[in-house]
Amino acid sequence: QVQLVESGGGVVQPGRSLRLSCTASGFTFSDYGMHWVRQAPGKGLEWVAVISYDGSKKNYADSVKGRFTISRDKSKNTLYLQMNSLRAEDTAVYYCAKAAGYCITGVCFDYWGQGTLVTVSS
Amino acid sequence: QSALTQPASVSGSPGQSITISCTGTSSDIGGYNYVSWYQQYPGKAPKLMIFDVSNRPSGVSNRFSGSKSGNTASLTISGLQAEDEAEYYCSSYRSGSTLVVFGGGTKLTVL
Repeated sequence: QVQLVESGGGVVQPGRSLRLSCTASGFTFSDYGMHWVRQAPGKGLEWVAVISYDGSKKNYADSVKGRFTISRDKSKNTLYLQMNSLRAEDTAVYYCAKAAGYCITGVCFDYWGQGTLVTVSS
Repeated sequence: QSALTQPASVSGSPGQSITISCTGTSSDIGGYNYVSWYQQYPGKAPKLMIFDVSNRPSGVSNRFSGSKSGNTASLTISGLQAEDEAEYYCSSYRSGSTLVVFGGGTKLTVL
């Protein structure tokens, strides 16, 4: 069965960096686009970034553009999110999500990880 | 402030039907048939319920249905059950730099 397991969250000071990982199993990782979606405590969902199945295309939300970098390693079945210049407003649970193959644009998500909490605080 | 507008809460009794609206613009909901709906229980990851406006993934109950008119999409849940009590989020493809936008979420209470 499909599994997505995030790791790398924790408490970090403003201005510092953190890298999140998402290890995938149960499907052919290199066939699907992958996304990061976050949810601030008690708030709604916010899309963060997407990477195409082969890593050639990436898109970011305006709120993280220039600070966050999404990447993937086919050999490790792993998705990454490098987060630099972190701000208090980046505090959230970060989910990795698989693009559903049956969605025309690939912007719907059929499997999600359990999430990893990132807290930006001094 | 979320990109898409949803009511903060809706409620209904078991067996009734409810509809949750999601209003966007011509750059997202109005311009494309790429609206999705997610169900989220507290402390859990979201679950895809509807994609591309009105399609249900395999395994999702046919009590859930989606539609769209102009810049507003809707999720209807018929034959409400206690297990439907959850938060519901709409999302849409958006043209421009931010590829995906979400609504602020709607808390469904089954009375």
